Order: sequence, then structure tokens, then C-alpha cells
Amino acid sequence: SAVISQKPSRDICQRGTSLTIQCQVDSQVTMMFWYRQQPGQSLTLIATANQGSEATYESGFVIDKFPISRPNLTFSTLTVSNMSPEDSSIYLCSVGTVSAYEQYFGPGTRLTVT
Amino acid sequence: KQEVTQIPAALSVPEGENLVLNCSFTDSAIYNLQWFRQDPGKGLTSLLLIQSSQREQTSGRLNASLDKSSGRSTLYIAASQPGDSATYLCAVHNTDKLIFGTGTRLQVFP
Repeated sequence: SAVISQKPSRDICQRGTSLTIQCQVDSQVTMMFWYRQQPGQSLTLIATANQGSEATYESGFVIDKFPISRPNLTFSTLTVSNMSPEDSSIYLCSVGTVSAYEQYFGPGTRLTVT
Repeated sequence: KQEVTQIPAALSVPEGENLVLNCSFTDSAIYNLQWFRQDPGKGLTSLLLIQSSQREQTSGRLNASLDKSSGRSTLYIAASQPGDSATYLCAVHNTDKLIFGTGTRLQVFP
């Protein structure tokens, strides 16, 4: 299984600002994903981060609000833009194995917007 | 549209009990099913992965079964311990996406 790290682990941000979350994997992976977990809820997929091309967003999520970069096969960033209190969530990145579609998750970033 | 439901939503048991957590899904056309554990405010730890062609998987005190035709999976925890207290999530793979269940919050008290 892959070892995944995320930075920052938590942050408290003011309304209207932006935060960039980093996800680093210890090996090259094809598939990387970003999820959101709102308080008391299960996980919802935001987008699939594609290396060398634009991310693929799920319904309800747009690039202007959640721009994603993936410059190589071990690193990705998610930016939460123009934040509001409704963006307070845990944001998690995950990586997937092509052969078995198994996914492994990072430790998450707990974001609080005041 | 795939929907994944977990029952019960919460469970509190004394140490030593054997437990069954349930997961149901509406579309049986899945690649596989994965069970996760999540500690409060933390990320997810993968517990077991069951391929669509498999019926069950075991890891230590954990046993997960899969019945695709009925759209059900169960996670069996033997001889529960306080350290098992966490939220347990099941997720099914449809195409390239993981669809998560609602979770079961488990508390095991001494």
C-alpha cells in the first residue's frame, strides 16, 4: 500500500480567503482523488486529479471553486477558493491501484472557516 | 444511481461481543467493495477489499462477506475491544469511483 501525506493537517481560515492543500505519495500512482467530508457526513468525491491534464470534476463541484493541480505522478494540490463557513470540512486525498481499484487515503486536512 | 446504506448508524457494545455491521447497495454492477475504519477527525484506514468475484475476505478478527446478487455486505468483528471504537465505512467501486455508505459509529466499552 502507498504512504500518503497531506499538508496542512488542519487550518482555521477567514471567510473570503483561499487555502491550498498538498498531497504527497511515496510512489508513482496513476489515479489520485480528492474527497470532502462535511461534519457528520460521509465522503463525497470532488474530482479525479489527472496528471498532465485538467481534473475531472463531479457534479456540484467546479474548477473555479476547487482548482486542482497534478504536476507529476506523486503530488497533487487542491485549493479551496473564496471560502465560506460551508466549506468547513475534512478534505482527503486518495490514490488508487489500477489492477484492483483499491484506494488508500491520506490523513486528511481539517478546515474550519470563520 | 448507486446508493450505499449502512445499518445500524450507531452501535454501543461491551467488550468481548461479536458484532455484525451491514452494508447494502442498490446497483450490483460493482468492481469490488472496500471496508474502511475512520477514527474521529482522522483519515481512512483500509480494512478489507472484496473483489466482485469473491465471497469473503478475512484479516485477523475481521471477516467481510459479499453477496452481489442481493446487494449486501457484512463486516463481522470477533471479540470486540475498546480499540475497535471508530466509524466503519463501506464503499463500492463503480467504474473509477468509490461510492461511500453512511457509516456505522461503533463504541466498545470496557
